[in-house]
Amino acid sequence: GQQLNQSPQSMFIQEGEDVSMNCTSSSIFNTWLWYKQEPGEGPVLLIALYKAGELTSNGRLTAQFGITRKDSFLNISASIPSDVGIYFCAGQYSNYQLIWGAGTKLIIKP
Amino acid sequence: NAGVMQNPRHLVRRRGQEARLRCSPMKGHSHVYWYRQLPEEGLKFMVYLQKENIIDESGMPKERFSAEFPKEGPSILRIQQVVRGDSAAYFCASSLAGASDTQYFGPGTRLTVL
Repeated sequence: GQQLNQSPQSMFIQEGEDVSMNCTSSSIFNTWLWYKQEPGEGPVLLIALYKAGELTSNGRLTAQFGITRKDSFLNISASIPSDVGIYFCAGQYSNYQLIWGAGTKLIIKP
Repeated sequence: NAGVMQNPRHLVRRRGQEARLRCSPMKGHSHVYWYRQLPEEGLKFMVYLQKENIIDESGMPKERFSAEFPKEGPSILRIQQVVRGDSAAYFCASSLAGASDTQYFGPGTRLTVL
């Protein structure tokens, strides 16, 4: 089946640093989605990307849909403590099935 | 405007018992999806339902697992004769339309099989 490779697996950063994570796939997608999941909760949609090359921002978050349609990245600028959590990418074809990455765990060093 | 509701939030069962997980979609949503998440992994699609219909159950094990979304009431994911390997977080999502419409997730049910 399709797989998404998400990296890094975890990140230890200082408050105020910028963060970057990405996902790559062997298959092309029509939509890339980025979700955040906090402990004990379900995933919350952060950004949705619908066109190759699209660059979209949501506050301090910026995500891009790769030109090849096989990759996407998410940047978080000037991280703050509430950014802690697990970030997931998900790819979607034209139907409903979401293919998920394994997640990037973001940890803020005290 | 309530989001997707799931209950119970935590469920403990002994091997061989049955587990019933409930999901109430967002108001006005008639499309429901169930996903399973193992620790340190992403979500895996299990089943997609519309009211009274199973559209796609390709991600659901053929045995012991079943799902329904009746005309009235919540969607139910049922696991019979649970085994330790069924321990996971089960998430429900709903959407207004099908196809590639945005899916909104509930808080999940954490199933522990002793």
